[in-house]
Amino acid sequence: QKEVEQDPGPLSVPEGAIVSLNCTYSNSAFQYFMWYRQYSRKGPELLMYTYSSGNKEDGRFTAQVDKSSKYISLFIRDSQPSDSATYLCATSNQGGKLIFGQGTELSVKP
Amino acid sequence: DAGVTQSPTHLIKTRGQQVTLRCSPISGHKSVSWYQQVLGQGPQFIFQYYEKEERGRGNFPDRFSARQFPNYSSELNVNALLLGDSALYLCASSLIQGGGSYEQYFGPGTRLTVT
Repeated sequence: QKEVEQDPGPLSVPEGAIVSLNCTYSNSAFQYFMWYRQYSRKGPELLMYTYSSGNKEDGRFTAQVDKSSKYISLFIRDSQPSDSATYLCATSNQGGKLIFGQGTELSVKP
Repeated sequence: DAGVTQSPTHLIKTRGQQVTLRCSPISGHKSVSWYQQVLGQGPQFIFQYYEKEERGRGNFPDRFSARQFPNYSSELNVNALLLGDSALYLCASSLIQGGGSYEQYFGPGTRLTVT
């Protein structure tokens, strides 16, 4: 079993839709949770960073962490074609080593 | 401010050869980590360095080695290249290694092709 599981998609939505991206993880020691966006053939770009459980909002993006169910989510409101990319969830314990999911490929159609 | 920089951008090598990849972290960042990303997969942790010392190692063979210099830049070396080493190699920098922020910022990567 992988430490972080993420549905690879692909996920296709119309412009303006609300997008929900999800990951599950297995190790309850993980305390730090991140979402990265990666455009084709580029390095990952940090979108959201949260510690422990709860919600964090930044513009059209909301990250949610539920440690009781080991579930992390990213919501994108009013999705735009420029949001088309691969979204990677990642977790970490105090060691700083990031453990990534496989990535979900998102396509937002005009 | 400049972000994380990596060189070269692309590299083509033959099986059995050796390769050196370079990374410069964000100014003021003291920790550098290396990741390997195979097509269609998430990045896999290779090494973490902080203050020139190795602070973490992933499940990679001894053919992989790295070091960090006094200016916090880093090199990743891979010996005896195999076809399976073809991947995007990513460098990430963070402000500190422990006891605080773990936000890691990635560079554009070096795409290595082994033929």
